[in-house]
Amino acid sequence: SQKIEQNSEALNIQEGKTATLTCNYTNYSPAYLQWYRQDPGRGPVFLLLIRENEKEKRKERLKVTFDTTLKQSLFHITASQPADSATYLCALDDYGQNFVFGPGTRLSVLP
Amino acid sequence: EAEVAQSPRYKITEKSQAVAFWCDPISGHATLYWYRQILGQGPELLVQFQDESVVDDSQLPKDRFSAERLKGVDSTLKIQPAELGDSAMYLCASSLPGGVPRLDEQFFGPGTRLTVL
Repeated sequence: SQKIEQNSEALNIQEGKTATLTCNYTNYSPAYLQWYRQDPGRGPVFLLLIRENEKEKRKERLKVTFDTTLKQSLFHITASQPADSATYLCALDDYGQNFVFGPGTRLSVLP
Repeated sequence: EAEVAQSPRYKITEKSQAVAFWCDPISGHATLYWYRQILGQGPELLVQFQDESVVDDSQLPKDRFSAERLKGVDSTLKIQPAELGDSAMYLCASSLPGGVPRLDEQFFGPGTRLTVL
């Protein structure tokens, strides 16, 4: 069956450290992956998109990698801050057949 | 800064009643999406419009849910009759014309929190 999994429901890290979130998928062939941030009671906010032929994408303190062999995307936040605390969602589109979000990982950055 | 507008923000209804949600996308965005998000889960795509046409409604429970975007601008999602399991956040998003695959960044509204009693 098809599924998207994110490494854990919740992740706690210390301020200043690098947070690494994982998105694994099964039985999809994604054209690309997107990462979104969602704060409680609000809609998701787009962060980054990475295509299947791209290995890595960066935006300020954010970095996304995409490994189609491992069927995995990693999302990194360097020099994390308490303001980075939120739920992070990955989403994939497998050439139009499906557009699917993962369940999300709730990140807490502790001061 | 342009935003996606949704109303109402909160809706409480009894099962078997009809409910409707409204969405006004960012001006110029031809693509509009409706999602359902159950607490603790990711959003689930219900329907995607390109202008006034439905592009994807494969996950829309068509026996009770309907969606329209008559003039290709704002949109309404209706549930009739509502069931207990419909309690969720209903999110609307819009994007520039991206077609399929859905490459363009999606801009989400604040959502409508539905509680069915």
